[in-house]
Amino acid sequence: SQQGEEDPQALSIQEGENATMNCSYKTSINNLQWYRQNSGRGLVHLILIRSNEREKHSGRLRVTLDTSKKSSSLLITASRAADTASYFCATDSYSNSGYALNFGKGTSLLVTP
Amino acid sequence: DGGITQSPKYLFRKEGQNVTLSCEQNLNHDAMYWYRQDPGQGLRLIYYSQIVNDFQKGDIAEGYSVSREKKESFPLTVTSAQKNPTAFYLCASRSLAGTGELFFGEGSRLTVL
Repeated sequence: SQQGEEDPQALSIQEGENATMNCSYKTSINNLQWYRQNSGRGLVHLILIRSNEREKHSGRLRVTLDTSKKSSSLLITASRAADTASYFCATDSYSNSGYALNFGKGTSLLVTP
Repeated sequence: DGGITQSPKYLFRKEGQNVTLSCEQNLNHDAMYWYRQDPGQGLRLIYYSQIVNDFQKGDIAEGYSVSREKKESFPLTVTSAQKNPTAFYLCASRSLAGTGELFFGEGSRLTVL
């Protein structure tokens, strides 16, 4: 089942502004990951945050995780036109068959010059 | 170069025909996954495999079949039983001893005529 739900579904900002995307999920997780997808391409891993971590940074990316609220946010600072893409959160959790990632529906980000 | 190769990139099929999508990885990853992506639906898990000769159904396995005879290969067959097969199919892999991130292929777009 699709655990993660991103919000908003679409986001349009200007270059230089910050972009914030949120993800909510339903069950306990091992970790939460964020991916980026350019149109018609495969997904690329951006950042992973473990269930015992609260915040993580990677370059212009900042991810937070609140396990009590079952939510995460991805912040992209000083956005660029090249950041235009879809962004997905994925929850990594254990089921009877092992570990599998469940993806949300994504946030479509448009950054205009 | 190491990575995941999906083929073909585009495929057209007549109703009632089975079609097999290829996925090969040279990353020595244990686990391999097939996802289906439809507009506005995000990624949905079809099948995954954590070891050779073993695989598990995901959320939407009906109408699909897989095999894992070699560690490097995880082909997906879309059978005539799949009612709405037109979609973008993504293959991914990861090391079970690694950080948990998925590596994706570039996808195969299947259109049923």
